[in-house]
Amino acid sequence: ETGVTQSPTHLIKTRGQQVTLRCSSQSGHNTVSWYQQALGQGPQFIFQYYREEENGRGNFPPRFSGLQFPNYSSELNVNALELDDSALYLCASSSKGALEQYFGPGTRLTVT
Amino acid sequence: AQSVTQLDSQVPVFEEAPVELRCNYSSSVSVYLFWYVQYPNQGLQLLLKYLSGSTLVESINGFEAEFNKSQTSFHLRKPSVHISDTAEYFCAVSESTGSQGNLIFGKGTKLSVKP
Repeated sequence: ETGVTQSPTHLIKTRGQQVTLRCSSQSGHNTVSWYQQALGQGPQFIFQYYREEENGRGNFPPRFSGLQFPNYSSELNVNALELDDSALYLCASSSKGALEQYFGPGTRLTVT
Repeated sequence: AQSVTQLDSQVPVFEEAPVELRCNYSSSVSVYLFWYVQYPNQGLQLLLKYLSGSTLVESINGFEAEFNKSQTSFHLRKPSVHISDTAEYFCAVSESTGSQGNLIFGKGTKLSVKP
């Protein structure tokens, strides 16, 4: 059974740029959630995707957007990067109706 | 609105000593409760969960947590810790209604086990 994978592992961007982070869900999982974990904080829910549609969103501005593909993999896009976007971005997958979420290793984004 | 409070940001303890990591939550509805562990430079791993039934839940590596509805707590305990338990532990809550994706996390407790 393949776990959740994310790419890239690390990324450095400049303020104002755009970034795309990728996530492959665990085998058999059709729901993907994205979280932002700032340094010294717990993860914060960004949004969730199910059947290629957004299925819930946290308190993040519209410049955070996402996609889910037919194979259930997902992308997180962030436009107009700000310094405060520097964080570990975590992807989690689950089966619809299941309560447990399984996390990937994360992408460390640094905005300079 | 839901919230999770982890009362200790850091807990140092000696190997083979017992440990308790405290977690309190607030919610106006029934909740599901989780503990996740994060080792350095890694993602989160599910340690244990309370969904329903017995209020005492156990993990395979000796941790246990007890759901206390009256005190809105879900403290994590281990009777004897190992060096390998050094990690950051996050308590999380999800409402029993609404989006299952909306896990609310505490700020984490760093457990440091010393020889």
